[in-house]
Amino acid sequence: NAGVTQTPKFQVLKTGQSMTLQCAQDMNHNSMYWYRQDPGMGLRLIYYSASEGTTDKGEVPNGYNVSRLNKREFSLRLESAAPSQTSVYFCASSEAQPQHFGDGTRLSIL
Amino acid sequence: AQKITQTQPGMFVQEKEAVTLDCTYDTSDPSYGLFWYKQPSSGEMIFLIYQGSYDQQNATEGRYSLNFQKARKSANLVISASQLGDSAMYFCAMNSNTGFQKLVFGTGTRLLVSP
Repeated sequence: NAGVTQTPKFQVLKTGQSMTLQCAQDMNHNSMYWYRQDPGMGLRLIYYSASEGTTDKGEVPNGYNVSRLNKREFSLRLESAAPSQTSVYFCASSEAQPQHFGDGTRLSIL
Repeated sequence: AQKITQTQPGMFVQEKEAVTLDCTYDTSDPSYGLFWYKQPSSGEMIFLIYQGSYDQQNATEGRYSLNFQKARKSANLVISASQLGDSAMYFCAMNSNTGFQKLVFGTGTRLLVSP
């Protein structure tokens, strides 16, 4: 039972490069989320998708775009990576409570 | 807007003892949920326990219990009989049950369990 799968697990980018983080869930959940985790700041919501075909901004959406490809998949794209986007990125999904998280993607931007 | 405050950056406890991790929250929503997640050093986020704002009894899940005091706006996590494997970061979070259920997290408390 995979739950929420994120790829890749690690990535190093140069400033200005683009990158798509992939997320897939096999729990048939309607809602999916992208968070970032920075030291000392907990997790902050970037974007979310309440259901297939809808996406909305969270607390820190600047510099990111998302695509809800189908019910299973929700991708996060950095069009022009900046050092301030160095972080650990978590994808989550839910059907009511609670949210289930993937293992995270550690992204470093040089 | 919702806010979660965890004032303990780090806590130490000896194995087999109980420990309380503090969490206070602020919200104007009449209906909300409170959560605790564990993040071990391997990095994954593990759901521990949930409390709804209208639940009459405190939530319990095995060795975890949530001490919910609505008037004080607190939702402390109590871990009984601590184990070495409980060493981790612990995050308190909340969402609103009105509208879409986005989670707001606190900054976390690092728990270290010593033998």
